[in-house]
Order: sequence, then C-alpha cells, then structure tokens
Amino acid sequence: RKEVEQDPGPFNVPEGATVAFNCTYSNSASQSFFWYRQDCRKEPKLLMSVYSSGNEDGRFTAQLNRASQYISLLIRDSKLSDSATYLCVVSHLKAAGNKLTFGGGTRVLVKP
Amino acid sequence: GAVVSQHPSWVICKSGTSVKIECRSLDFQATTMFWYRQFPKQSLMLMATSNEGSKATYEQGVEKDKFLINHASLTLSTLTVTSAHPEDSSFYICSARMDRKGGGFREGPQHFGDGTRLSIL
Repeated sequence: RKEVEQDPGPFNVPEGATVAFNCTYSNSASQSFFWYRQDCRKEPKLLMSVYSSGNEDGRFTAQLNRASQYISLLIRDSKLSDSATYLCVVSHLKAAGNKLTFGGGTRVLVKP
Repeated sequence: GAVVSQHPSWVICKSGTSVKIECRSLDFQATTMFWYRQFPKQSLMLMATSNEGSKATYEQGVEKDKFLINHASLTLSTLTVTSAHPEDSSFYICSARMDRKGGGFREGPQHFGDGTRLSIL
C-alpha cells in the first residue's frame, strides 16, 4: 500500500464549477500536510498547508481528518488556469528531519 | 520569495555518459537539500537528503555510487548520475530548506528548483 494515495483523475470540470477530491495517508504519525500544484513538466509549487481546523485561501479550501487519515481539497468557481495536477504531500519526522512523501497527484482539467 | 535554481533544465546524452546537475539556493542559505526523481505519471520520489559538509543520506533502493551527491556549500548541491543508462531517464528535482538553529531548532519550508529533464539515448 502506498503511503499517500490519490485518485489520479482526470477530473473534467466545467469552468465556474466546484471540484473536490481527497487524499489518504497510511502513516498515523504524519505531522504536516500540504497541497502542491504541479503544471506539466514543471516543478511542484506549494498551494497551501492543511491545518487540523481546516483552512481556506480564496477559492481553495483544505480539510484534514486525522481519524480517517485523509485530507481534501475543494476548488470553487474553477478557472481555466486551475488546470494542473494537485499533489497531496504528507510530512513525518525521521532521524534526518521531516520527510515529505508525495502522492501520485490528481489531474484536474477545467474546460470552457 | 526564496528561489532555487537548477541547471541544466534539459539534458540529452548517450548511454554511459555521466551527467552533473546543479542546485543553487539564490537568496538564502540552504542547510538541507533534497533530490527527487519523478517518472512519467508517477509521484515525486525522494532519492536522498544532503546536509552541507556531510555525506548524503540515501533512500532505500537508491544506489549511492550511481547517484553521487555533493553539498559543498550552503548554496550549492550537485547530483551526478554516473554512467547513465536509458532507465535513468527521468525528471530530477531538487529542493532546498533553510533551518533556523538559534533559539531552538526550527525547520523551514522546502523550496523547489524547476527540475532537470534527463533523457539518455
């Protein structure tokens, strides 16, 4: 079983619609959670951190459910520029420091 | 914001060649740098963690003699893929992190380079 699992998609989303997807993680000792965005053939870029109380950044809302070990990302009023692969990233402490483990990504395609 | 530069961005070379990739933190001192590899349609996989002035820590299954990492300064780490073969073709991405040690250890966020696409013929 992978440490971090995501539905690969693609999620085909009409412009202006809302899309949501989850990510599950297996390590209950995981401490920090993030959503990154990766455009084709580019490096990942931090979209937002995910806090226990849930947090919102503009059109993006992230939730964490520690009991069920999943995090979610919701995008409202989707824009064409939101088309990307969204990577779920989980951090846990190792001897060498915090290690980031990446999910395989969920591809989102926003269409006019 | 923090910037990490990676060079070259794209390499095509013959099988058996050794390839060096540089990762530089441009406006901060990176106490720790990470090297990742990403195959098509797969997630980023951590290859190794390097701290300035010490040997890199490799993840399980990554050959340290194949992937040589040097972190000689607080702003530069290099990854050398020795005697590269077609199966080494991948997207290699570095990240850099600045940790604060004064007043208690505190890890900073990871900042990613823009990646190197390596194609071995």
